[in-house]
Amino acid sequence: QLVLTQSPSASASLGASVKLTCTLTSGHSNYAIAWHQQQPEKGPRYLMDVNSDGSHNKGDGIPDRFSGSSSGAERYLTISNLQFEDEADYYCQTWGTGILGVFGGGTKLTVL
Amino acid sequence: EMQLVESGGELVQPGWSLRLSCAASGFTFDDYAMHWVRQVPGKGLEWVSGISWNSNSIDYADSVKGRFAISRDNAKNSLYLQMNSLRTEDTALYYCAKASTMTIPKIDCWGQGTLVTVSS
Repeated sequence: QLVLTQSPSASASLGASVKLTCTLTSGHSNYAIAWHQQQPEKGPRYLMDVNSDGSHNKGDGIPDRFSGSSSGAERYLTISNLQFEDEADYYCQTWGTGILGVFGGGTKLTVL
Repeated sequence: EMQLVESGGELVQPGWSLRLSCAASGFTFDDYAMHWVRQVPGKGLEWVSGISWNSNSIDYADSVKGRFAISRDNAKNSLYLQMNSLRTEDTALYYCAKASTMTIPKIDCWGQGTLVTVSS
């Protein structure tokens, strides 16, 4: 079964960098994923997709501070030079052979 | 600029029906699969239903199968979700979402959501 695992929370200081992790279940380590950001009281926003080779493609208008990478079954979202507006929930999402996708449980990022 | 605008959410009683709509603009609607995703306030995202570009492929989460029906009208650039036999656990913000391909459910655009409240 295709499942995505995320840590419930993360924190980092203003101006620092943070790396969020999304882990694919065993047997699915070659899957691509997408990252979405949800700021408080707002709808989600697509950030980027990250492939198994670490390449990533960002959505329109996503700052250069956001980048993606991969290692094995793990997919990462790195945010550098953290800003207060980066405080949000971050969800990873993937897909199998069907029409429906799968979401991770989300990581709540706090900027200190 | 791609835009999705949901409507139709309201307060209804258990057992009632409701139809959500999503108006799309800024892209060629019939080139992409579309989806409904919901979120209970304070909780995570749950995939509700998806439909391919030509409506040939449709699927639902087990939690709504047999009660909800997704459809699209490509001539009107619109997506719909018919929700029947509503339950209190269906209370959530419902988001319309665009996939980046005709079938693969990789979302690259979201609406702002419409709130459905099921309560007596």
